[in-house]
Amino acid sequence: DSGVTQTPKHLITATGQRVTLRCSPRSGDLSVYWYQQSLDQGLQFLIHYYNGEERAKGNILERFSAQQFPDLHSELNLSSLELGDSALYFCASSVATGQGQEQFFGPGTRLTVL
Amino acid sequence: AQSVTQLGSHVSVSEGALVLLRCNYSSSVPPYLFWYVQYPNQGLQLLLKYTTGATLVKGINGFEAEFKKSETSFHLTKPSAHMSDAAEYFCAVGPSGSARQLTFGSGTQLTVLP
Repeated sequence: DSGVTQTPKHLITATGQRVTLRCSPRSGDLSVYWYQQSLDQGLQFLIHYYNGEERAKGNILERFSAQQFPDLHSELNLSSLELGDSALYFCASSVATGQGQEQFFGPGTRLTVL
Repeated sequence: AQSVTQLGSHVSVSEGALVLLRCNYSSSVPPYLFWYVQYPNQGLQLLLKYTTGATLVKGINGFEAEFKKSETSFHLTKPSAHMSDAAEYFCAVGPSGSARQLTFGSGTQLTVLP
């Protein structure tokens, strides 16, 4: 158990809908990262938050947004869902933002868009 | 920009045989390198990491990796495979500069044959 929790574990929804994925980092970790894992794209970085502020964006679509709250949990919002958004979404956390710091991954949320 | 190449998307070994999973990286700055393992329906777990110092890094579950700058490689090895080692393995590089996210390879699925 990494100490990172993600809810829900599974999510099945229809095209055009909006969903929210939730992540709670390890106790004391200020950084939260979101990654998408799909068969065709592999593991792709989406976005990074540190202590409530957005620090970096990766291959994140405009239909997707995220935020980190004062209690440090984070939410990833996916809207106008398409079939291609079906994937495993991981949250990871680290203590701060220093180089070489390992990231601890949650169990993921499996999103299926029908 | 950083990148990672994992040679061989599928590797099969017999139980008790040597495990060798290959990883080559590209980075314009001294890299930080990681190996993660993903068991079915689970998140990623850190096996080992290289930051600075000793180039031979020992990790959990008997795995080790050697950083070879001249070859831009960070191959993962284990002297004797166990059935429980069957999983997908990801090599990652980063963070670097202002970017703190990890860049992952495409993964290698390890099968251990009885």
